Amino acid sequence: EVQLVESGGGSVQPGGSLRLSCAASGFSFNTYWMSWVRQAPGKGLEWVANMNGDGSVKNYLDSVKGRFTISRDNAENSLYLQLNSLRVEDTAVYYCARVVCCAGSGWFNYWGQGTPVTVSS
Amino acid sequence: DIQMTQSPSTLSASVGDRVTITCRASQIINNWLAWYQQKPGKGPKVLIYKASSLESGVPSRFSGSGSGTEFTLTISSLQPDDFATYYCQQYNSYPGTFGQGTKVDLK
Repeated sequence: EVQLVESGGGSVQPGGSLRLSCAASGFSFNTYWMSWVRQAPGKGLEWVANMNGDGSVKNYLDSVKGRFTISRDNAENSLYLQLNSLRVEDTAVYYCARVVCCAGSGWFNYWGQGTPVTVSS
Repeated sequence: DIQMTQSPSTLSASVGDRVTITCRASQIINNWLAWYQQKPGKGPKVLIYKASSLESGVPSRFSGSGSGTEFTLTISSLQPDDFATYYCQQYNSYPGTFGQGTKVDLK
C-alpha cells in the first residue's frame, strides 16, 4: 500500500525557516517524480515544486524560487522541502504527492495527509 | 501561467442527482487535465486523468469529457460519499495549475 506521511510543519515568524519531510512507503520511491502542493486556509490547491527520481531535475513555482528547496534521500525513501525567508502568504497545509508524469508538472495519484505551516508575527 | 476556471463554485444536489462541473482553461491544454475529490482535513484523491481516463478503483459513476479548453466532470448518480469539493488541474505546462474548486453539498 502506498503511503505518504508528512511532518515538520509548525508556526514561525515572517523571515523564519522550516524543513518539511515526507516519508514514503509501498512503492519504488527512487523511480518516481515527487512534488509538493500547498493549500492556503479555505483556498484552492497550488503546486509548489517537484523533483525527478534521482534528484537531478527540480522545478519551482516562481513565487518560491530562491526561498524553498526541494530535495530527497532515496536511501531513506524521503522527500524534503526546506522553507526559508517565509512570508505570511506561505501559510498553508503542505502536501507531498507522487507524480505521474507525461506532460508539464504531471498529475498526482497519491497524496499525504498534509502538514500545516503558519507564518505569523 | 494557465488559468483554470471552474463553475459553479457551489452546487447543491440530492442523492441520485446527475451532477456536472465545468472547468475552462485560459489556453489549449491538449487534454492534459485531471480531476480530484477532496474531503475536509484530507489530501485530494484523483478521479480522472488525461481528461477522460478513470483512475483505477474510482467508481464508474464518475466520468470526464472535453477537449481544447473546456472540460466537464460528471457524476451520473450522486451518492452520499460524493459530497466533497472537486478540483480540476492542468498539467500541460509549468506550473501545473488548479481550478478554484466546486463544493458539492446537500440540497
